[in-house]
Formats: sequence, structure tokens, C-alpha cells
Amino acid sequence: NAGVTQTPKFQVLKTGQSMTLQCAQDMNHEYMSWYRQDPGMGLRLIHYSVGAGITDQGEVPNGYNVSRSTTEDFPLRLLSAAPSQTSVYFCASSNGTSGSPSYNEQFFGPGTRLTVL
Amino acid sequence: AQKVTQAQTEISVVEKEDVTLDCVYETRDTTYYLFWYKQPPSGELVFLIRRNSFDEQNEISGRYSWNFQKSTSSFNFTITASQVVDSAVYFCALSDPMDSNYQLIWGAGTKLIIKP
Repeated sequence: NAGVTQTPKFQVLKTGQSMTLQCAQDMNHEYMSWYRQDPGMGLRLIHYSVGAGITDQGEVPNGYNVSRSTTEDFPLRLLSAAPSQTSVYFCASSNGTSGSPSYNEQFFGPGTRLTVL
Repeated sequence: AQKVTQAQTEISVVEKEDVTLDCVYETRDTTYYLFWYKQPPSGELVFLIRRNSFDEQNEISGRYSWNFQKSTSSFNFTITASQVVDSAVYFCALSDPMDSNYQLIWGAGTKLIIKP
């Protein structure tokens, strides 16, 4: 199993550009999420999905869109990049065997380091 | 509101010393889960342990041990006989069922530096 994969690993954008961060998992997990990691702030939830066709906002959703057309894929789209979106982005997945998916171990992708100029 | 506090921003010790990373949490619920994750310099996030609120037994896994105390809302992590490979950022996180976003509440992390 590849686990959770993310592409690209690094990306530089200019202000106003749009792009999509890709995330895929092969563990048949229902729950997937996107976090951003900024220095000294831990991880903050951007968007999450509890299954194909179902998405919802997390703590910091502004400027980002997501979709979940399949169980495996959960892309994150930056609509119009801003310097404040410079961060490291992590995709994660988990199953819901203990009830809430957040009760279980989260499996993380390797991260995407995004710089917006 | 739920909150996780890791007051130690950075800890530096010499190899073979024991070190304890503190985690204090806030929640109004009686059912919750606590986690520790490790982020080595390579950047990936690695799951270390999960503890539910009804299990206050301490956990030991090799050189790692965890002390969960509901009375003080703490879930501290101790590394015995530290090694250079333990150098990483360690995150404590809380899962609270009262949060409809199913999200984990993360501490800011503690950077642990083990000097040879």
C-alpha cells in the first residue's frame, strides 16, 4: 500500500494564481482531511470529508475549495493564491471504526510546501 | 472551548538523558481521545499513541512512556535514555466528540533536540 500520497511536494505560485493540491489514499478510508501547518501554530483543519460526495469546512476554509468524487481522492484547490497561504499542507485519512473518524489514528501524506509570492 | 497547550516550545538535552514533554488539555466532555504525533526533520507526521478518556493506565512502549492524569488534564510523554534519532517536533492532540467537525485540536508542538 502506498498509504496517503500528495503531489506536488513543492510549489511556488504568484499572487492570484490558482492551483490544485492532489491527495490520494489506497486504504479505503472514509474520512479525509486537509491541514495547513504554520510555524508555532500546530496544524489547522481546512476542509474535511466523511465520504464520497460529502465535504465540509474546518477551522480555516477561506480561500480553499475541495471535492470528493471518489473515496480515494480529495484534492484541495486554491482559488486565488495569497501570500497568507504560504504554508505546508498535509492531507490525512482515517477510518471510523471507533465511531468518530477523529478518534482514530490519522495517516498523513508527506506534505506539500507552498510558497506564494 | 477545547484547547491543547504544549508550553515547552523547545527542549534541548544531551543524549541518554530522560526528557518529558508536557501536554495540558481543556474539554468539557467526559469522552475524548488524546494523541501524540512525531514530526521528524524529514517532515512527515507519525502517529505514536492514542488514549481514550476512560483509560488512565500509563502506557510504556520501549523507551517511550505516557502519563495520563485526568485530575490535572495532562497527557505527558517521557522519553527514557534519549537518542539523537528522537530529535523531532512532537505534537499532542485532542479529539472531542462535541466538535461536529470531527477535527483534532492540536497543540503548537514541542521541538526536541537531542545533542550527541
